[in-house]
Parts: sequence; structure tokens; C-alpha cells
Amino acid sequence: EVQLVESGGGLVQPGGSLRISCAASGFTLSGHWMSWVRQAPGKGLEWVANIKQDGSEKNYVDSVKGRFTISRDNAENSLHLQMNSLRAEDTAVYYCARDTQWPNYDILTGYFLVFDIWGQGTMVTVSP
Amino acid sequence: IVMTQTPLSLSVTPGQPASISCKSSESLLQSDGKTYLFWYLQKPGQSPQLLIYEVSNRFSGVPDRFSGSGSGTDFTLKISRVEAEDVGIYYCMHSIQLRTFGQGTKVEIK
Repeated sequence: EVQLVESGGGLVQPGGSLRISCAASGFTLSGHWMSWVRQAPGKGLEWVANIKQDGSEKNYVDSVKGRFTISRDNAENSLHLQMNSLRAEDTAVYYCARDTQWPNYDILTGYFLVFDIWGQGTMVTVSP
Repeated sequence: IVMTQTPLSLSVTPGQPASISCKSSESLLQSDGKTYLFWYLQKPGQSPQLLIYEVSNRFSGVPDRFSGSGSGTDFTLKISRVEAEDVGIYYCMHSIQLRTFGQGTKVEIK
């Protein structure tokens, strides 16, 4: 079964750090870009960051640049998000999501699928 | 690129159609001829799920009552006959280098 399972969420004080992880199974992580998407309580979805298949390219939403670092370990089939200088506004459920296979098409559909697989999410709460 | 959805909420009688609009601040048509516009549904208490990819293609397992259309900057998700299981929040999203979601449209049953 194709699956993503996040872990590592919790309560952290403002200014603190936290590292969350995502374990992939049922597919080859190295074939896909991977993303983190977050959802603050009662709010909509916000894309946070993504990373290329080999880790050579990373993109971030402006609000986390310089504070968050996305990384991956293809040998361990895992994705990580190191979050530093945390703020109250970073409080959210953080989802790991399978991103595109660009430059390769999805073999079944012939298209570039984005976020076709999501984890269940891990809650990060930033509070004194 | 800013994604703007309307309406933000929708109350629909079962069996009736529903339509959600998504407008992007820039054209989503790329030089490869593709338009990277996606639709997702987040059912209550669940993670989001992919419904439509590249404007109009239904993802595996998505009922054919869902359809996507549009081009350039204007896109639409239509549900031909709403069922109780369709309740949730619908999001459009572009994937041109970065990714940006619309604000979401909450669909409920009357």
C-alpha cells in the first residue's frame, strides 16, 4: 500500500525548534519531488516547501524562508522538515504530500500528478 | 500567483448541481502546452485528496459527476449531482514551480 506517515509533532515554545518527519512506503521516494503542506486550525491549506528527487533543489514559501529546512533521505525513504525560530503563526497540522515526478510523467496517466498521496498529518503547536 | 475561489461556501440540495470558480492572477498555461491547475477535496476530519489534475482529468476513483474545465486564468469545478459524501472543502491549486492553494470552498448539504 502506498502510504505516507508523519511523526515528530508536538508543543514547542516560541523561538524553539522542532524536526518533523515523514516515512514513505509502497513506492520509490527517489522518483518524486516531495512537499510539506500545512493547515492552521480552522484555516485553509498552505504549501510550505518542496524538494527535488535528489535533494539538489528546494523551494519555500516566503513566510518560512531562513527558518525552515526541508531534507530527504532516499535510502531511508524519509522526508524531514527542520523548523527553527518557531512562531505562534506556525501552529498547524503539517502534511507530507507526494509531489510531481517532473521531469518524468506519471507512468499510469501520462501526466504530472501533484499531491496524489497525503499523510495523515502531524500537529505542531507553538505556544508559551 | 494568487488563486481566488468563489464562492467561499455553498449549500446544495442532494441531486442538484454545484459549481466552484477558481481564478489565477496569471495565466497557468506553460510553454510545454500544459496548464498546471489541480482540484482537491478535504472531507471533514480527513487529509485532502486529489480530485482533478491538469484542469480536467479525474484522478483514479473519482466519480464522473466531478468535472473540471477552463483555461488561462479561469477554471471551474462542477459536480453534476451533489451527493452527501461530497461535503467538505474544495481547493484549487497551481503548481508552477511553487504551489499556491485557493482559499477553499466549503460545500454542505441543505
